[in-house]
Amino acid sequence: AQSVTQLDSQVPVFEEAPVELRCNYSSSVSVYLFWYVQYPNQGLQLLLKYLSGSTLVKGINGFEAEFNKSQTSFHLRKPSVHISDTAEYFCAVTLNNAGNMLTFGGGTRLMVKP
Amino acid sequence: EAGVAQSPRYKIIEKRQSVAFWCNPISGHATLYWYQQILGQGPKLLIQFQNNGVVDDSQLPKDRFSAERLKGVDSTLKIQPAKLEDSAVYLCASSLGGNSPLHFGNGTRLTVT
Repeated sequence: AQSVTQLDSQVPVFEEAPVELRCNYSSSVSVYLFWYVQYPNQGLQLLLKYLSGSTLVKGINGFEAEFNKSQTSFHLRKPSVHISDTAEYFCAVTLNNAGNMLTFGGGTRLMVKP
Repeated sequence: EAGVAQSPRYKIIEKRQSVAFWCNPISGHATLYWYQQILGQGPKLLIQFQNNGVVDDSQLPKDRFSAERLKGVDSTLKIQPAKLEDSAVYLCASSLGGNSPLHFGNGTRLTVT
């Protein structure tokens, strides 16, 4: 079975600073990888996804992530964060023959300070 | 397009009581999911429907949880009887299927006292 580990439960950062949210996965077969964002009292919104092709994936709101198969990682980055990026971020994985049955990591709370 | 609708937004019940949640997916979305998100954790899949059939319910505690999607559109998730550890946000999501993205509702926050 696959699993996802988000190494940091909270990441405080100042506005306009760069940020990286870490995600590692475990699977014996090929996977698809996703990052979702959850604002307070809302559902999850897809930021970006990796299915195949280029390992650098660009998403909405200026976020990007890089798939590294050898390190089984899919870290999320943004070069300059805004106050409005304060939210919970979830990394998720699905087996590439399992449709969209996602397994989520525990989440990372990004706290952007002025 | 209208998003995934869930109701109620909040529900407070006592343990051993029953509760039901409702989900209306995006029109045309054949696949529907129920997730449980306990505070401080990532969402955990409870059940997946394809039209009105169950694809996976391996993580659904079937002694107390049940879900249905009788006409392949709306879905209800029921807990009977509730336990304290059922306190969580219950998220519904839908998709066109395959590798198309999931669209989540805003969830129902359940508090069991």
